[in-house]
Amino acid sequence: GQNIDQPTEMTATEGAIVQINCTYQTSGFNGLFWYQQHAGEAPTFLSYNVLDGLEEKGRFSSFLSRSKGYSYLLLKELQMKDSASYLCAVTSGGSYIPTFGRGTSLIVHP
Amino acid sequence: NAGVTQTPKFRILKIGQSMTLQCTQDMNHNYMYWYRQDPGMGLKLIYYSVGAGITDKGEVPNGYNVSRSTTEDFPLRLELAAPSQTSVYFCASNEGQGIEKLFFGSGTQLSVL
Repeated sequence: GQNIDQPTEMTATEGAIVQINCTYQTSGFNGLFWYQQHAGEAPTFLSYNVLDGLEEKGRFSSFLSRSKGYSYLLLKELQMKDSASYLCAVTSGGSYIPTFGRGTSLIVHP
Repeated sequence: NAGVTQTPKFRILKIGQSMTLQCTQDMNHNYMYWYRQDPGMGLKLIYYSVGAGITDKGEVPNGYNVSRSTTEDFPLRLELAAPSQTSVYFCASNEGQGIEKLFFGSGTQLSVL
């Protein structure tokens, strides 16, 4: 099976930078995804990593280290609208079926 | 472009009742999934399908059934509703060609009382 770990909750200040970590244990790793989910809404795709390194997408970046089973999502210039849950998901094996972590609830305050 | 459409958005069931959650996608995706989301628990996979006529169990299949008679539709059936099935249900799809993002429906909030 897979084990995916994320912090339950984080708080940060508007305009700041926050890093949300995700650690995983799996065999046959394929890729790692980050989704954003606002309260009462469906998850929406943010980024994915297949190879080690940093993927940058505007204010959001995601990093992967396959040897350490570790990823992080970096959010810069935080805005109030970034208050949401951030879900880490891993695919492994031949089926590519995503398994999700419990999500990290990010609260951005003024 | 409709994407993934789920109905209903909300439903209250009595214990022992049955119902079907509908899911349809218009992107010609091969893979479809049903997840449930309990507070603070992330998304747990109930069932998935890799194509019409093929379904498989996920992590938490007990109490549910699915069918996939067409590429577009993937309904989830609850036969004897129990309070433990109170949750938010999400249907999702992707092409299934490898490492791909999921497209989610808007979700169904189900309460079993």
